[in-house]
Amino acid sequence: KNEVEQSPQNLTAQEGEFITINCSYSVGISALHWLQQHPGGGIVSLFMLSSGKKKHGRLIATINIQEKHSSLHITASHPRDSAVYICAVFISNFGNEKLTFGTGTRLTIIP
Amino acid sequence: EAQVTQNPRYLITVTGKKLTVTCSQNMNHEYMSWYRQDPGLGLRQIYYSMNVEVTDKGDVPEGYKVSRKEKRNFPLILESPSPNQTSLYFCASSLWGGTGKVRGEKLFFGSGTQLSVL
Repeated sequence: KNEVEQSPQNLTAQEGEFITINCSYSVGISALHWLQQHPGGGIVSLFMLSSGKKKHGRLIATINIQEKHSSLHITASHPRDSAVYICAVFISNFGNEKLTFGTGTRLTIIP
Repeated sequence: EAQVTQNPRYLITVTGKKLTVTCSQNMNHEYMSWYRQDPGLGLRQIYYSMNVEVTDKGDVPEGYKVSRKEKRNFPLILESPSPNQTSLYFCASSLWGGTGKVRGEKLFFGSGTQLSVL
């Protein structure tokens, strides 16, 4: 079983819809990242969370440390939001911190 | 401009021919790391470094070497590349507040290196 699970794997929605992508992890973490990867490969970091909630434009990320769960929400989705969204967690290990990734959610927004 | 510079962008080589992929950042970040991305497997960490002369293995370190002699540079070395190392490679960096401290910084990624080993 992966230490980081994302759902759904694929998501297709109409422009304007509210989008939710989920990330669950099974180990203690020190931080969680949400990443965006557009076709062509470049990776952009959207949020780093260690608690609570963050908002940037139409994107909102939340984390519940007790439940080991995070969500990424997109309001008023737009075709330019089409990308792969990846959850990644820092796992502490005797003073060092390894980064482990979910397998990603492929989002397609149809005009 | 704050950035992570990774070179080369594309590389085709043959089995056994040593190669180095370079990674440099201009943000004075302590944390640097290497990842490979494969279809169906996603991103996996190869090695990471929490500061100069401090490196540690990630999930898939076999066949790779790294060094961190200076804060800004973190090269990935393949001493004897094999076809199963054909992959898309990314370097990334971040500020590091130290274990147990809250880190408010994002990860900054290089543009990637597509490596083909024939």
